[in-house]
Amino acid sequence: ETGVTQTPRHLVMGMTNKKSLKCEQHLGHNAMYWYKQSAKKPLELMFVYNFKEQTENNSVPSRFSPECPNSSHLFLHLHTLQPEDSALYLCASSQEGTGVGYTFGSGTRLTVV
Amino acid sequence: SQQGEEDPQALSIQEGENATMNCSYKTSINNLQWYRQNSGRGLVHLILIRSNEREKHSGRLRVTLDTSKKSSSLLITASRAADTASYFCATDSGNTPLVFGKGTRLSVIA
Repeated sequence: ETGVTQTPRHLVMGMTNKKSLKCEQHLGHNAMYWYKQSAKKPLELMFVYNFKEQTENNSVPSRFSPECPNSSHLFLHLHTLQPEDSALYLCASSQEGTGVGYTFGSGTRLTVV
Repeated sequence: SQQGEEDPQALSIQEGENATMNCSYKTSINNLQWYRQNSGRGLVHLILIRSNEREKHSGRLRVTLDTSKKSSSLLITASRAADTASYFCATDSGNTPLVFGKGTRLSVIA
């Protein structure tokens, strides 16, 4: 265990469903991130939260909606997704300003059918 | 936008050989980091090298950084089958999140 826990590990959803991905960190970090990893593409940064405030939204479609209720929890709410949204969604956390690496969760493998 | 770009995209070597992966980037950085990812899992931080450092070691890993060429290399010595994974470089330019490359897929054959 890395200290960053993502649930569920796998998710299959239809295009009309609504689901949520959850990320939890117990490292005392002050920044959390959502990345999307598709086959043969670099990791794409989706959202950044520093001290619960969203500081970056990388032109992500509105069908992805993040929520950060406190500095330890991060959610990604999904609705009316497309098949091309199928990917591995990775959550990470870090302590901003320390120049130390990110700690990643194991990811949620999402399949949209 | 993509910052780091790894080379080669895929590398296959025999157990015991050394593996070298390269990373090039475009803009000034504070530090450069290397990560490892086993298939379908999260990334694991391996090593960080600061912009004022030229070389760093950690166990069987050796990282070099050439800021004049905007490039870095990761050397894994005496490779093992368990080193089979994808390796990513990521750059930190200050107050921006890490930007990752596409990665190098390393296969170590026993």
